[in-house]
Amino acid sequence: GAVVSQHPSRVICKSGTSVKIECRSLDFQATTMFWYRQFPKQSLMLMATSNEGSKATYEQGVEKDKFLINHASLTLSTLTVTSAHPEDSSFYICSARPQAEAFFGQGTRLTVV
Amino acid sequence: GEDVEQSLFLSVREGDSSVINCTYTDSSSTYLYWYKQEPGAGLQLLTYIFSNMDMKQDQRLTVLLNKKDKHLSLRIADTQTGDSAIYFCAEKQGGADGLTFGKGTHLIIQP
Repeated sequence: GAVVSQHPSRVICKSGTSVKIECRSLDFQATTMFWYRQFPKQSLMLMATSNEGSKATYEQGVEKDKFLINHASLTLSTLTVTSAHPEDSSFYICSARPQAEAFFGQGTRLTVV
Repeated sequence: GEDVEQSLFLSVREGDSSVINCTYTDSSSTYLYWYKQEPGAGLQLLTYIFSNMDMKQDQRLTVLLNKKDKHLSLRIADTQTGDSAIYFCAEKQGGADGLTFGKGTHLIIQP
């Protein structure tokens, strides 16, 4: 089936630095990708919709200046957590839908120390 | 209440059938999904059903959809230890791009 690959799987960074997470669709083109955040033992919350060639659409309450999204090609979307703080520590996971199926990446565990 | 609701835990004996239930509120949902998440891992798409279907079967998995009651279930036949995970129900609401998830049901397998 279609595969969505996310990198890195884990990252530890210092407070104040920025972290970039990549999401790739491996065997299909994705004009739209989605970024979710999952808190421990919680559900996934949609953060933003990444649109190839145009600006991302952010959900209410998500800071667009903190979570920068770039969808530069049909197979790659990136999420950059800028000036990270400990409260940004979370599990970030991307998704893409070739058709009806919605596939997810492996997720990125971000820890800000 | 929440848009998508699930019980937090389900405990079954190995070899028995597991039935995980989910209710949702949006009658305009087009697709409903079941995902499996193992510790520290991403989400694995198990199956999905279009809203005009009542049932979908795929090997050990059976999905039942009662659109009138907005109730979705996932039945896992002959539950094995490898089925131990958190199972998420999700809906694609009409007009929305992303999915709305339930909080997940932790399936516990007893030997």
